[in-house]
Amino acid sequence: EADIYQTPRYLVIGTGKKITLECSQTMGHDKMYWYQQDPGMELHLIHYSYGVNSTEKGDLSSESTVSRIRTEHFPLTLESARPSHTSQYLCASSEFGRDYGYTFGSGTRLTVV
Amino acid sequence: SQQGEEDPQALSIQEGENATMNCSYKTSINNLQWYRQNSGRGLVHLILIRSNEREKHSGRLRVTLDTSKKSSSLLITASRAADTASYFCATDAGNAGKSTFGDGTTLTVKP
Repeated sequence: EADIYQTPRYLVIGTGKKITLECSQTMGHDKMYWYQQDPGMELHLIHYSYGVNSTEKGDLSSESTVSRIRTEHFPLTLESARPSHTSQYLCASSEFGRDYGYTFGSGTRLTVV
Repeated sequence: SQQGEEDPQALSIQEGENATMNCSYKTSINNLQWYRQNSGRGLVHLILIRSNEREKHSGRLRVTLDTSKKSSSLLITASRAADTASYFCATDAGNAGKSTFGDGTTLTVKP
């Protein structure tokens, strides 16, 4: 079983609320990623990090922000949620310089009403 | 546009049959990965093939890579109902360690 955890698993919130999606990994991986995925669709990279205090925007424009204060923790925050943010958010990690692929969390299914 | 594109988009087979899905990409790569995703869950890494490899096996999985055609295939032999899932390829083009995912093939294996 993957050692990367996302909480909450499901979240339904009202428009305008601030939310933080949590992602933690216990593998000591340097690289972490957030992807957004609509049901049955491709994954879009929204944020990534190469290590502590490193964060970058991904290929898909997103109104969310991330932080990386600790190696194991990579939370994603939406300051003001909107219905257009309804989606599945997947967190992943990988090890620098190793061809092992990504380890994914189980995802957070967000619904903004 | 997408670096990796899978085909077919959907595949339905009977248990025991083989399933083949393909991935095409546009730029040179360091490696190509295949993942499985069960409905509503995260992706699970299946196999990685490096650009200097042509074929790789893992259990009932066989992956080929043709860098001249910029394509890869994933073969699942003797499929089982539990193989029902979406399968994604992802390419690492050396772009600062980011992999780009295709839009997936949905496989249904009927018992």
